[in-house]
Amino acid sequence: EAGVVQSPRYKIIEKKQPVAFWCNPISGHNTLYWYLQNLGQGPELLIRYENEEAVDDSQLPKDRFSAERLKGVDSTLKIQPAELGDSAVYLCASSFGRAEQFFGPGTRLTVL
Amino acid sequence: DQQVKQNSPSLSVQEGRISILNCDYTNSMFDYFLWYKKYPAEGPTFLISISSIKDKNEDGRFTVFLNKSAKHLSLHIVPSQPGDSAVYFCAASDSNSGYALNFGKGTSLLVTP
Repeated sequence: EAGVVQSPRYKIIEKKQPVAFWCNPISGHNTLYWYLQNLGQGPELLIRYENEEAVDDSQLPKDRFSAERLKGVDSTLKIQPAELGDSAVYLCASSFGRAEQFFGPGTRLTVL
Repeated sequence: DQQVKQNSPSLSVQEGRISILNCDYTNSMFDYFLWYKKYPAEGPTFLISISSIKDKNEDGRFTVFLNKSAKHLSLHIVPSQPGDSAVYFCAASDSNSGYALNFGKGTSLLVTP
């Protein structure tokens, strides 16, 4: 069974540019999560989807971050415009009705 | 406010010995606890979990112990192997939050031959 797929794996952009990350969860997993991981820290939740509904986006900085999960499968996380402090690893995870979440490899974003 | 704390940033253990990784939490609503293992340039990999109705869960070389009164859990790895060298994250969740995970900062384990 394929795991959570994320792309791109690495992205380098200049500040004020837009950037988007894509996630394909494990087949059949109805819950999808986006996490942010800064260096030396644990992952922090940005947004959680149940099917296509964003049920917890309280930690998503909505002035510059947006996310969507069309048809309740793939998801895209966007930052516009990016700031220097957005440099981090962006992790996608999925689960089905249980607490065990399965993570993708992440996208390492560097903002110059 | 960090609700899950891993106070040891690193741990070094000899191959064959026991590794004990510790985790403390502050939120009494947490009812599910997990350990994840992370290699460089990879996402966290689920290792083992425990529900708050239990105080021990075992899976091969890995055992997690939960002490609810002390709000403390630990992961024991016996025997430790060089391939166990990684960063270990403790995470906690409660059913009211839809199982969103609250992570500690991680403990880097080095198992030496």
